[in-house]
Amino acid sequence: KAGVTQTPRYLIKTRGQQVTLSCSPISGHRSVSWYQQTPGQGLQFLFEYFSETQRNKGNFPGRFSGRQFSNSRSEMNVSTLELGDSALYLCASSQGQGASPLHFGNGTRLTVT
Amino acid sequence: DAKTTQPTSMDCAEGRAANLPCNHSTISGNEYVYWYRQIHSQGPQYIIHGLKNNETNEMASLIITEDRKSSTLILPHATLRDTAVYYCIVRGFQTGANNLFFGTGTRLTVIP
Repeated sequence: KAGVTQTPRYLIKTRGQQVTLSCSPISGHRSVSWYQQTPGQGLQFLFEYFSETQRNKGNFPGRFSGRQFSNSRSEMNVSTLELGDSALYLCASSQGQGASPLHFGNGTRLTVT
Repeated sequence: DAKTTQPTSMDCAEGRAANLPCNHSTISGNEYVYWYRQIHSQGPQYIIHGLKNNETNEMASLIITEDRKSSTLILPHATLRDTAVYYCIVRGFQTGANNLFFGTGTRLTVIP
């Protein structure tokens, strides 16, 4: 079974631009969660989507948004990029019910210059 | 979700068992214990989880104390590829419980 796939693997953007990251979950998984990882703050939860609906949101500004499609694939968007948005963005999928564990992709490393 | 406490770092000789402790003294009855590890520049890898019974899979064993306030992840024969940061997480299974709190984890170094 293929794992969680994130594209692109690396991205360089300039302050003020916007960016869209993509995530393909494990087949059959209906929940997709996004996390931001930085050296200073560690892994922080952004939001979770289940059956195309956002059902949980972390403490990030509105510049961070996401969506999920009917095939469970998900995208996250960051608008008006700031230098502090440089991070590893991780996507995780799960069945979304019960104690089913999250499975993570290898992330997209975003660098904002 | 309850928070966890882990040692910042540990060393283990190659071929020996690595025992990684985790304290979760405020865990509630419906919360599971999960272990993940992260090798540099990769996403966290799921290892194992449990509620109150000991669990074993092809990667590791999880020992949870009877009062559920602490647990130990055991890698039976550590290899150099097990060098990573290991995270212990407690998580309920109610809707919206995918907001995981990772903490700083334990950096395990396997020494040749």
